[in-house]
Amino acid sequence: DAMVIQNPRYQVTQFGKPVTLSCSQTLNHNVMYWYQQKSSQAPKLLFHYYDKDFNNEADTPDNFQSRRPNTSFCFLDIRSPGLGDAAMYLCATSWGRHKSLKSSYEQYFGPGTRLTVT
Amino acid sequence: QKEVEQNSGPLSVPEGAIASLNCTYSDRGSQSFFWYRQYSGKSPELIMSIYSNGDKEDGRFTAQLNKASQYVSLLIRDSQPSDSATYLCAGGGLSGGGNKLTFGTGTQLKVEL
Repeated sequence: DAMVIQNPRYQVTQFGKPVTLSCSQTLNHNVMYWYQQKSSQAPKLLFHYYDKDFNNEADTPDNFQSRRPNTSFCFLDIRSPGLGDAAMYLCATSWGRHKSLKSSYEQYFGPGTRLTVT
Repeated sequence: QKEVEQNSGPLSVPEGAIASLNCTYSDRGSQSFFWYRQYSGKSPELIMSIYSNGDKEDGRFTAQLNKASQYVSLLIRDSQPSDSATYLCAGGGLSGGGNKLTFGTGTQLKVEL
């Protein structure tokens, strides 16, 4: 089955120690998104890639970076995690603007990575 | 500030009843609307999308959109205990090649036996 995969499912890191979260997809979608979701809050978009074009949200802290080496993979790097960065990190994919069918904009989420900062 | 508002609940309904979930949005530029189901500790799962005014039905689910009132709703017929979850409403708009979603904080639904 086509899917969005995230690794690891659970990640524990120390305060200030860089961490990388991984997302891969077999849907062949050209857009990949990263969201942060804290307990009882709405998912918050951090950034997205349309093909190789990176689109950052204005309020995403510089501490968060992303890489997309190819269509299938996307990484979220947190350079110096703080206690406030503990959250569920969600990767999602969709088709993008070149698709004329509106249903192409539906986003499909991976299982998420639960990040704990100690 | 683009906002999507939902009543946090919990909304409790008996098994077999109709559950009605509501959402309002502030951005008139939103072009697409989605309902996601999220079980505790899990990721959101897409259950309905709607793009035009009116109703859209899929199995036990019906989504309704009224752009003039900036209102989206989800009806779940014949509610089952397995429907107990948080339902997230999201509005989308094209930006940077993708479809940027703004989520509400969700309504918790409890279906009681």
